[in-house]
Amino acid sequence: QSVLTQPPSASGTPGQRVTISCSGSSSNIGANYVYWYQQLPGTAPKLLIYGNDQRPSGVPDRFSGSKSGTSASLAISGLRSEDEAHYYCAAWDDSLSGVVFGGGTKLTVL
Amino acid sequence: QVQLQESGPGLVKPSETLSLTCAVSGYSISRDYHWGWIRQPPGKGLEWIGSSDHSGSAYYNPSLYSRVTISVETSKNQFSLKLTSVTAADTAVYYCARVDTGMDLGDFDYWGQGTLVTVSS
Repeated sequence: QSVLTQPPSASGTPGQRVTISCSGSSSNIGANYVYWYQQLPGTAPKLLIYGNDQRPSGVPDRFSGSKSGTSASLAISGLRSEDEAHYYCAAWDDSLSGVVFGGGTKLTVL
Repeated sequence: QVQLQESGPGLVKPSETLSLTCAVSGYSISRDYHWGWIRQPPGKGLEWIGSSDHSGSAYYNPSLYSRVTISVETSKNQFSLKLTSVTAADTAVYYCARVDTGMDLGDFDYWGQGTLVTVSS
């Protein structure tokens, strides 16, 4: 049981816009920054979004993050086949004094 | 270009100690940032293990706190993970990562490729 809650799966067709949600509490998302990681099959996770809505250099602007209260979302516009991956949200948790991850969402491009 | 590479035994016996090293290139480990470990059991999600800076200021997952130690070795530009009294539940791919502490400790901006550690007799 993960501290941050994500839907286990999401899907979309090429060109579509999909969103992945991440629900937490006042001790994690509500009080701290949210991060998103993309894990392509058989590879290490990659930082996709930091500080709620910032993209590292090299990440396409098709990826965007947002946060409101104790929830966050990752949006992917202009969906492409290479976006098929697992996506994880993460945040620092003040109560646990540690980093917590969501359970991950498997995105399928139909 | 910052690069991280994990190394260590791929098989550990139950009750023994898991020891991994992460060699860092392209960045001096004695500068700022934390250096952390994350693991992923086969077919499951990510679990934060902990992180430390070069001064020994460390944070650990409360569920692993009594068994884990992360050490930063500036002379070798590497850091290590020790996990004692392992069980089958500790079987996972172990990733090392750099932690950009500009915001907080959740920002893992560079990752190693990961190494599978199996706990079995």
